[in-house]
Amino acid sequence: DAGVIQSPRHEVTEMGQEVTLRCKPISGHNSLFWYRQTMMRGLELLIYFNNNVPIDDSGMPEDRFSAKMPNASFSTLKIQPSEPRDSAVYFCASSDRAHNYGYTFGSGTRLTVV
Amino acid sequence: GIQVEQSPPDLILQEGANSTLRCNFSDSVNNLQWFHQNPWGQLINLFYIPSGTKQNGRLSATTVATERYSLLYISSSQTTDSGVYFCAASDQTGANNLFFGTGTRLTVIP
Repeated sequence: DAGVIQSPRHEVTEMGQEVTLRCKPISGHNSLFWYRQTMMRGLELLIYFNNNVPIDDSGMPEDRFSAKMPNASFSTLKIQPSEPRDSAVYFCASSDRAHNYGYTFGSGTRLTVV
Repeated sequence: GIQVEQSPPDLILQEGANSTLRCNFSDSVNNLQWFHQNPWGQLINLFYIPSGTKQNGRLSATTVATERYSLLYISSSQTTDSGVYFCAASDQTGANNLFFGTGTRLTVIP
C-alpha cells in the first residue's frame, strides 16, 4: 500500500482565497483523522470520521473550516475564506480495528496564507 | 479530552547513550501510541501500547495504565533517532481519536 496520500504538499495562497486539502486513506482503514500542527498549539485534532461519517468536529476552529468524506477512499478539508492564522501543517491519518487502531499519517500539507 | 504531558521537553544525547522519555496522562486510556516526527516532518508510528511492554529493535515502551504513565526507552542512540517524540492517548469513551502531548525533542550528536 502507498500509505496515506495527501495533496498538495505545499500550498501558498492569499488571504481570502479558498483552500482545499485532499487525503486518500489506506485502503480498508475505516477511520480518518485531520490534524493541524503549529508551533504554538502543537498537534490538534480537527475532525475525525468513522466509516465516512463525521463523528466529532469539535476541534474545527471556525465555520470557515469544513471537511467531507464522500467515500471510503477520499476526504477533503476546506478553508473558506483563508486567513494568515490558518498557516500550519495539516496532517491526515487513517487507522483500522484490524491494526489495533494504530495511526498511519500522511506527509502533511504545509499551508501558508499571505 | 484527555490531557497528555511529556517530559523532558528537550534532550541532547551523545551517540550510543540510552534515554527514557516519559508520558503522563490524565485519565484511563483505551488507546496510547508513540510517534517519531523526523526532521523532515514525517510522523511515524512507533508503538500502539495501551498497556504492557513492547520492543522493536533498540526501542521499547512500557505503559502502566493503573498509574497513568508510559515510558519510551531508546538504547544505543543513533543520529537518525533525532527528532520529536510524541505520546498520544484517547480515553475510554470508545472513541479512538488521539490527543497529543507537546513532545520531547531529541538531538543525538555524533
